[in-house]
Amino acid sequence: KAGVTQTPRYLIKTRGQQVTLSCSPISGHRSVSWYQQTPGQGLQFLFEYFSETQRNKGNFPGRFSGRQFSNSRSEMNVSTLELGDSALYLCASTAVPESRDTQYFGPGTRLTVL
Amino acid sequence: AQSVTQLDSQVPVFEEAPVELRCNYSSSVSVYLFWYVQYPNQGLQLLLKYLSGSTLVESINGFEAEFNKSQTSFHLRKPSVHISDTAEYFCAVRASGNDMRFGAGTRLTVKP
Repeated sequence: KAGVTQTPRYLIKTRGQQVTLSCSPISGHRSVSWYQQTPGQGLQFLFEYFSETQRNKGNFPGRFSGRQFSNSRSEMNVSTLELGDSALYLCASTAVPESRDTQYFGPGTRLTVL
Repeated sequence: AQSVTQLDSQVPVFEEAPVELRCNYSSSVSVYLFWYVQYPNQGLQLLLKYLSGSTLVESINGFEAEFNKSQTSFHLRKPSVHISDTAEYFCAVRASGNDMRFGAGTRLTVKP
């Protein structure tokens, strides 16, 4: 079974631009979570989607948004980029959003904002 | 809300020596506990998890962790480390219905 895939792997943007990151979960998995990883703040939860509905949302400004499609693929969007948005963005999938389930992570998208 | 504290940001150790990576959590409700490992330029991989039952859980590559409810700890141990164990290790906690909370990570460096 193929793992979680994220595209693109690397991205360079400038302040003020917007960006869309994509995540394809493991086949059959219907729950997708997004995390931001930075050296200063560590791993922080962004949001979780299941069956095209946002179930949980972390403490991030409204510039960060996401969605999930009927095939379980998910996208996250960051508008009006700031330098502090430079980070590794990780996507994780589970079969269903059970707290005891193992989350399977993708390799991440490294976003650099100049 | 739940939180996790990893007590050591960096742990250097020589090959074949034992190692313990410490993790404490805080929660007012029952939680599930996880250890993940991250190799350079990769995502996180699950090492082991505690859901219920036996407080000692083991991974396939020789790591083990013990859930201690009274001390709210979930320390990760390995009796003999290899160079290939060099990585960043994250302890995580999740309560039912809540999102996953990660510790700041411990960078394990195994020296020859």
